Amino acid sequence: SYVLTQPPSVSVAPGKTARITCGGINIGSKSVHWYQQRPGQAPVLVIYYDSDRPSGTPERFSGSNSGNTATLTISRVEAGDEADYYCQVWDSSGDRRVFGGGTKLTVL
Amino acid sequence: QVQLQESGPGLVKPSETLSLTCTVSGGSISPYYWSWIRQAPGKGLEWIGYIYYSGSGNYDPSLKSRVAISVDTSKNQFSLKLTSVTAADTAVYYCARGARGDGEVFDIWGQGTMVTVSS
Repeated sequence: SYVLTQPPSVSVAPGKTARITCGGINIGSKSVHWYQQRPGQAPVLVIYYDSDRPSGTPERFSGSNSGNTATLTISRVEAGDEADYYCQVWDSSGDRRVFGGGTKLTVL
Repeated sequence: QVQLQESGPGLVKPSETLSLTCTVSGGSISPYYWSWIRQAPGKGLEWIGYIYYSGSGNYDPSLKSRVAISVDTSKNQFSLKLTSVTAADTAVYYCARGARGDGEVFDIWGQGTMVTVSS
């Protein structure tokens, strides 16, 4: 089965840029979606199809995907961005939806 | 706008069946994919399975032998049954709408409902 690997934690100072990675074999051939989950809340879609933003997602959030790594980039990080972030793909071989283990973003 | 609401018992005994329903309001259950996703305390998200509005679906292999997801288009609801539960099934259970392409993008989520497996 397809596995997505995320770093457990990323820390960044306010105003700086955070990069959260999502690794998978040839993930560049798949579409990656990203979710933000604040404590005690349901996840919220922030990026879909690698780099598209739903309405409501600030332009500070961007995504890229190539080779074996997809990346969620958050520019000019704010305290309110502190949350868990999950990447997700569709594993077409088994028609499964697969999540990464999640990354806790801490704003210092 | 479309909203999802999970409902069902918050406490289930070991070896019994967990049953949850997700009610879709503000929109139609077709032509979307509808998933159940769970999150054990302090852990990450785990996809359980999906059902298409037409009734077809698929489950994660790790749970396939114990899971059934059904849809009732007349009530704008879909449901989850998980049999032979153990403490490892204790989690917050979310229902979510799968949109775009093959329903792979979870664009709308319910608030989640906590289910504890305990005697």
